[in-house]
Formats: sequence, C-alpha cells, structure tokens
Amino acid sequence: SAVISQKPSRDICQRGTSLTIQCQVDSQVTMMFWYRQQPGQSLTLIATANQGSEATYESGFVIDKFPISRPNLTFSTLTVSNMSPEDSSIYLCSVVGWEGAPLEAFFGQGTRLTVV
Amino acid sequence: GIQVEQSPPDLILQEGANSTLRCNFSDSVNNLQWFHQNPWGQLINLFYIPSGTKQNGRLSATTVATERYSLLYISSSQTTDSGVYFCAVRMTTDSWGKLQFGAGTQVVVTP
Repeated sequence: SAVISQKPSRDICQRGTSLTIQCQVDSQVTMMFWYRQQPGQSLTLIATANQGSEATYESGFVIDKFPISRPNLTFSTLTVSNMSPEDSSIYLCSVVGWEGAPLEAFFGQGTRLTVV
Repeated sequence: GIQVEQSPPDLILQEGANSTLRCNFSDSVNNLQWFHQNPWGQLINLFYIPSGTKQNGRLSATTVATERYSLLYISSSQTTDSGVYFCAVRMTTDSWGKLQFGAGTQVVVTP
C-alpha cells in the first residue's frame, strides 16, 4: 500500500494556539484529503487538498480555522488554528490515486490532538 | 447526502467464533471499502470492494451493489481482531476519492 507519514503522531496543545500537521507520501498521488475523528465518533471529511490552489472545504469547515496547503503531489499540511478543547480529535490524512491501487483510499496513522 | 448504516454497533465475541458485519447504503456507489481501526487509532485497509466477493485469510467481504449492502465476515476470530470496523463509500455522483463513513462496529474479542 501507499506509505503515508503523518507528523506529529500526537500532541497536547494550549487553547488559543495553532498546530500544523504534515502528511508526506512516498510517491505521487492524485488526491489528498483531511479527515477529523472526534472521540468515539466516525470519520468526517474536512477538505480536499488541491495542488497549488485553495482547498475545497466541506460544509461546517472553513479555511480560517483549518488552512490547508498542498505544494506538490506528495505533501500536504493541515493547520488547526486558535484551538479550543472541542478541537480535540484524531486528524487523518488520506490519499487516492497511488499507482499500485489507484482507486483505493489509504490513510496515514493519524495525529491525536488534545487541547487543554 | 448518502446514508451509510452499519450493524451491529457493538459485538462481543469469544475467540474462535465467527461473525458477520453489515453495511447498508442509500444511494448508488462506485467505491466501497472496509477498514479496521486498531486501538492505537490507525486505519487499516481490509477490502476495496465496490461489487463482488473477496477473501483475505480469515476475512472475506461481499458487496451487492444493486441491493445496496455489503457484508464483512470474520471467521475464527482472534483477540487481534478487536477494534472498530468501518465501511466507507463514495457516491457515483461525488468527486473522486471522497468517502462517506458509517458509524462503525466496535468489536471486542475475548480470550
């Protein structure tokens, strides 16, 4: 499967601060996505990271709160801005279009964020 | 949007038992995947199965797209099978790669 490295794997942050999560893939992929998993819940799509242009956000998510970059075909970042305890979640990077299985979605190991 | 319903929500199994997890979806899909989320939160791909039947060791899956459901079979369960199993689908009309997840089935396998 695609090898996806997500950093950091976990963090504890103070409210009001921001955290940037990185997602690096070992080979070029077509699509990159960011998901959020709140405690005890399922995964919800935050946005599609578009290479070289603004991300496409799902309903309920805005760029000011979750700015996303994707400078090339193997790397993306998600920033969680002005954090509050409600942002405590697992954030997961997902890729589609890996040449070994182009139609299948793969996930990074996730970033477990706790806001205190 | 599309509705994805998984059943049962919770399942407790004794080691060695067999089980069936179900995923129903409300609209036409062109992608369906099953994932296992381990206790550390990692999401592991089990099957990419928009239609038909696949087997991988003790696990197998069947999707009947025309009837809008998929089944995941676990045979001879082991304690390492514990975790949450998610079904995720992509609508035929949706953008490529975007998945809608079910609520998951929490599986606990006891020794």
